[in-house]
Amino acid sequence: EVQLVESGGGLVQPGRSLRLSCAASGFTFDDYAMHWVRQAPGKGLEWVSGISWNSGSIGYADSVKGRFTISRDNAKNSLYLQMNSLRAEDTALYYCAKDQEPSIVGATGLDYWGQGTLVTVSS
Amino acid sequence: SYELTQPPSVSVSPGQTARITCSGDALPKQYAYWYQQKPGQAPVLVIYKDSERPSGIPERFSGSSSGTTVTLTISGVQAEDEADYYCQSADSSGLIKVFGGGTKLTVL
Repeated sequence: EVQLVESGGGLVQPGRSLRLSCAASGFTFDDYAMHWVRQAPGKGLEWVSGISWNSGSIGYADSVKGRFTISRDNAKNSLYLQMNSLRAEDTALYYCAKDQEPSIVGATGLDYWGQGTLVTVSS
Repeated sequence: SYELTQPPSVSVSPGQTARITCSGDALPKQYAYWYQQKPGQAPVLVIYKDSERPSGIPERFSGSSSGTTVTLTISGVQAEDEADYYCQSADSSGLIKVFGGGTKLTVL
């Protein structure tokens, strides 16, 4: 059974940093690309960032480019999101999601999702 | 930045057919995907590559594509299908993923 478990969320002041983690199990982690998707309270889904199976291709939404960094450790079956210079508008539930493909290039689908970790940016 | 446009809401009676559209300039070149999200739950992939259905998804869910518009069709809608539905694709570069704004399906 595929499982994705996010952690690292919490309350943080504007301008500070936070690192999210996603522990994956139930599939061959290094065969697939992975993504972070967020959902602000009462709002829709927003793709944040994606990383290919070997970290060779990485993409970011314009809203987080230059502030967030995605990474993965295939030896630990883990995905990470380093979030710097956090803003109030970054407040959201952050989901870790598995891609159907090893590459992030092209329109690919997200076939498994975690339950999310909540990030609240407020003073 | 690239956008996918969905209607905010669609309402149907049980047993009827619901159609949810998603429009975007790059859709003729990029596949579309559809997700169902019920309150308090993570999204679930219901259609991939425009019209393919993952295992475990009921046959009443289908997808189609025509030019810059893709459509999710739910035939014989049931009360349990009431949810938010999101389309997803990529921009012309293929590197940036995009979600539509979501459509709330109400079963009357």
